[in-house]
Order: sequence, then C-alpha cells, then structure tokens
Amino acid sequence: DTGVSQDPRHKITKRGQNVTFRCDPISEHNRLYWYRQTLGQGPEFLTYFQNEAQLEKSRLLSDRFSAERPKGSFSTLEIQRTEQGDSAMYLCASSFGQGGSPLHFGNGTRLTVT
Amino acid sequence: GQQVMQIPQYQHVQEGEDFTTYCNSSTTLSNIQWYKQRPGGHPVFLIQLVKSGEVKKQKRLTFQFGEAKKNSSLHITATQTTDVGTYFCAVLASGGSYIPTFGRGTSLIVHP
Repeated sequence: DTGVSQDPRHKITKRGQNVTFRCDPISEHNRLYWYRQTLGQGPEFLTYFQNEAQLEKSRLLSDRFSAERPKGSFSTLEIQRTEQGDSAMYLCASSFGQGGSPLHFGNGTRLTVT
Repeated sequence: GQQVMQIPQYQHVQEGEDFTTYCNSSTTLSNIQWYKQRPGGHPVFLIQLVKSGEVKKQKRLTFQFGEAKKNSSLHITATQTTDVGTYFCAVLASGGSYIPTFGRGTSLIVHP
C-alpha cells in the first residue's frame, strides 16, 4: 500500500491560466474523490468517481472545473481560466467498496492563483 | 443540503486536561466518520460509527454516536502535545450516495 499520491504538491499560476492536477489512488480502491479545502474550513466535496464513471458533482462546482478518470485508475482535475478564489488545497481521496468506507487522503495540491 | 455543525471551532487546553468536540447533523445519518488533520498535513481516518448509541474507544479517545443518529462526540482524556491538530467529523446521510460531508472541524491546541 503506497497510499494516495498527488502531483504537483504546489502550483502557483497567474489568473486566467489553466491548471491540471493528478491523483493516483490506492490501487485496489474503486472510488476516488476530489475535495477542496481552504484555511479554517473542512474539506468541501467537489466530485467523485466509481471506477471510471463520474457519478456526482457538487452543485457548487463551476463549469471551469472538469475531472476525468479514464481507465478507472488515476484521475485528473483541470481548472480552466483560474481565478483568485480558486486558491485552495485540492485533496484527492480514495476508498474501497460501494460507499461509506473510510477515505484515504493524499497530501494534496496547494494552488495559489496570483 | 446536508448541514454539519462542529463545536467548538477552537479549544485551548493545558496538557493533561480533557477535550471534547461535538458534531451535529440536521438529518438522520447512516454513519459518521472522524478524521484528524495535523498542521500542514492531510486528514487521516480515525474511526467510523454506524449503530445508534455506539461507543468506541481508541486508547485515550472515546467516540460516541447519538441514539437518534444525528450527533456524535469525540472525547480525549488527559491530552498530550501529540494530540494537537484539527478533528473533523464527516457525516454520511441515510439513503444517499455515501459521500462524506465534512464539518468545519475543531482545532485542538495543547499547551505543555
């Protein structure tokens, strides 16, 4: 078990640029989640996949955000036309089973939009 | 949508004192999970409660699920400096898609 890995750890970008983050879940985990966390807040749900299917997206998720999990393994989260309000820690988590199982989080990607 | 309240937001204690954080939901829950996030780290799963009135212990930590399955508490006995961090509850609604919704967390600061 090598854990959930995320890349990059940090990303600084200028407003208006596009960014893409990658998450590699624990290999036998079929569920993959993306959360966003800002200072002093708990993780906020963005979207999740069961295998390669994206089953739910938060209603708060702007259409500038898109996520994929093409082969049911790693996932990418892309933010287009970044805004300063997108600055946050983006956390990926994975779990095994149909739902309700504990989440295993990666170290996150910290995004700073200048 | 799912509403989760955690209180208090911050708690300062002297090492050796006890600590309790509370998690309250607006709806009946399927289960509840507790996580700990150390400063600069990521949330790490501690425990899951499923049954009404359930009590689970992990060394100095005691977790309780309310009888109505709408609230939970985490109690730490005789805090140590290693307990420093933010404790989050994550709730899973009954009949839902089992997506954990996190509370705002309680940050525990332990003074030696």
